[in-house]
Amino acid sequence: ETGVTQSPTHLIKTRGQQVTLRCSSQSGHNTVSWYQQALGQGPQFIFQYYREEENGRGNFPPRFSGLQFPNYSSELNVNALELDDSALYLCASSGRTGGLVGEAFFGQGTRLTVV
Amino acid sequence: SQQGEEDPQALSIQEGENATMNCSYKTSINNLQWYRQNSGRGLVHLILIRSNEREKHSGRLRVTLDTSKKSSSLLITASRAADTASYFCATDAGYGNKLVFGAGTILRVKS
Repeated sequence: ETGVTQSPTHLIKTRGQQVTLRCSSQSGHNTVSWYQQALGQGPQFIFQYYREEENGRGNFPPRFSGLQFPNYSSELNVNALELDDSALYLCASSGRTGGLVGEAFFGQGTRLTVV
Repeated sequence: SQQGEEDPQALSIQEGENATMNCSYKTSINNLQWYRQNSGRGLVHLILIRSNEREKHSGRLRVTLDTSKKSSSLLITASRAADTASYFCATDAGYGNKLVFGAGTILRVKS
């Protein structure tokens, strides 16, 4: 149990729709990162938020967007869903002290299926 | 794109045996981390080794890092059926935990 919670656990959407995934970070953690994990592959970095600002982005199109709130929880939004967006979406939180980022704690993920 | 590559892709051993997984990566790193994933769910952090470290231990886990060869290995000693999972290495080039994962090794420990 990492203290990082994601919702929902499973989701089915239709191609072209929009989806919002949510993540509550571990208490005291001000950095949240999102990853996409396709079946049989390792997770791929989507983006990271630090103190409500985007702090780095992977090779994902602009239809993947995010938010971080003052309580450091976060949302991942995906517009115009495509079949290839079907994946496990993982959120990871970590604390930052004196400029150094600590260990990343992952949530259990949201399994998104696009049909 | 994924930086790391794990080897082997799959490994099947008997309970009590040791399991060794290898990871290679392409660019300079600040640290390398190993994670375990059960049944396609969340990742569990196992161990972090920094670029200036060569070896680290945690319980039955031993990790080595060779930055000249851009490679790392994870050794699980005296494996148990509960160790059955996918294992991933992840590299952090900076200081922000923007991790680049490999494709993973599937470990099956038979009892």
